[in-house]
Amino acid sequence: QSALTQPASVSGSPGQSITISCTGTSSDVGGYNYVSWYQQHPGKAPKLMIYDVSNRPSGVSNRFSGSKSGNTASLTISGLQAEDEADYYCSLYTSSSTYVFGTGTKVTVL
Amino acid sequence: EVQLVQSGAEVKKPGESLKISCKGSGYSFTSYWIGWVRQMPGKGLEWMGIIYPGDSDTRYSPSFQGQVTISADKSISTTYLQWGSLKASDTAIYYCVRGASRAFDIWGQGTMVTVSS
Repeated sequence: QSALTQPASVSGSPGQSITISCTGTSSDVGGYNYVSWYQQHPGKAPKLMIYDVSNRPSGVSNRFSGSKSGNTASLTISGLQAEDEADYYCSLYTSSSTYVFGTGTKVTVL
Repeated sequence: EVQLVQSGAEVKKPGESLKISCKGSGYSFTSYWIGWVRQMPGKGLEWMGIIYPGDSDTRYSPSFQGQVTISADKSISTTYLQWGSLKASDTAIYYCVRGASRAFDIWGQGTMVTVSS
């Protein structure tokens, strides 16, 4: 199963909103509402930010939101802050308890 | 506190075998899937496989099927990832993860594996 496609980098100024896309096909992203998103700071383990397309785990800022349209899922960060600078990965749960990650996006706060 | 604690960093030679571990605590170990994720130096995350400790049901990514073995010992709440013959390309950080709500909600601290002659 091929990795889901994400832009290599996205940048924005403090206070702005940015959106990271995660594109697959009708057989994966388009067929399942089980997209999750992870934030990884350098040298740290990733952290779950969004699950089931748009649900936030307890403790995650409401500045992070998720959505899906067709074969593309998206993570939006509103009110961008310096601490949001990190790598972000989408992931998809498919049938038979298998998963696939996206290619990853580096977010830079200008 | 719910946590996954992984074994320490390893330095191995090509052709050697290796088994790294991940111990769960603070929750019912047999009720959640535990997966493994690889991150090669400077690269992205790759899902390797997953096991349900309750009955040892195991699934592998096609990319890792036959290359590694995932196992679990529920008596000590521990999951393992093992290689029979390491290659230099196995050099990476390996994370164990807890599967919940079709996502990975708890991550281990990572185990760095270095394979070099």
